[in-house]
Amino acid sequence: SQQGEEDPQALSIQEGENATMNCSYKTSINNLQWYRQNSGRGLVHLILIRSNEREKHSGRLRVTLDTSKKSSSLLITASRAADTASYFCATNAGGTSYGKLTFGQGTILTVHP
Amino acid sequence: DAGITQSPRHKVTETGTPVTLRCHQTENHRYMYWYRQDPGHGLRLIHYSYGVKDTDKGEVSDGYSVSRSKTEDFLLTLESATSSQTSVYFCAISESGQDASETQYFGPGTRLLVL
Repeated sequence: SQQGEEDPQALSIQEGENATMNCSYKTSINNLQWYRQNSGRGLVHLILIRSNEREKHSGRLRVTLDTSKKSSSLLITASRAADTASYFCATNAGGTSYGKLTFGQGTILTVHP
Repeated sequence: DAGITQSPRHKVTETGTPVTLRCHQTENHRYMYWYRQDPGHGLRLIHYSYGVKDTDKGEVSDGYSVSRSKTEDFLLTLESATSSQTSVYFCAISESGQDASETQYFGPGTRLLVL
């Protein structure tokens, strides 16, 4: 089964609104990463948060991590139509995992102009 | 796409035939990965490589083999293609596999249809 489970599966909002996506995972992690995928394209890395961090910002993105609840959230503020994409969380177990990532099923975000 | 190319980009093949997908990188990254992406499953790791001639299995390796004879190339072979292997295949690379700041860079994907 997937390490990461994302919620909601689909999210539809208007331009200018904020979008929040959640990710839950099952086992201990070294870091958690968020990726974006535009339709028909490969994934693009957005942000990485380490297990000893609680919050991280990058431009309009804010990621939080709660290791006690094994969950993370991605907030996109002031969304734009260009933010329309699928968003995936991925966990890295560290140690001898050779950087292997386990992906969630993703959230499909649609931002209406 | 961070100096990563995949070939072919699209392929249609018949059940029972062997298929080889190629991933080529110009970043000289040590680690390379093959994933498949299917609706409802997200991305799942098939095989990965942590150096030339060093490979290991991922979550869904049955029916697949890989080879890495050069740093820049990572080949994925479907030994005898089945309809369940119809999918979009992504290659990814990373510079280091054991750094907490590690991220992966993805290729554009290969769409494979097995009839």
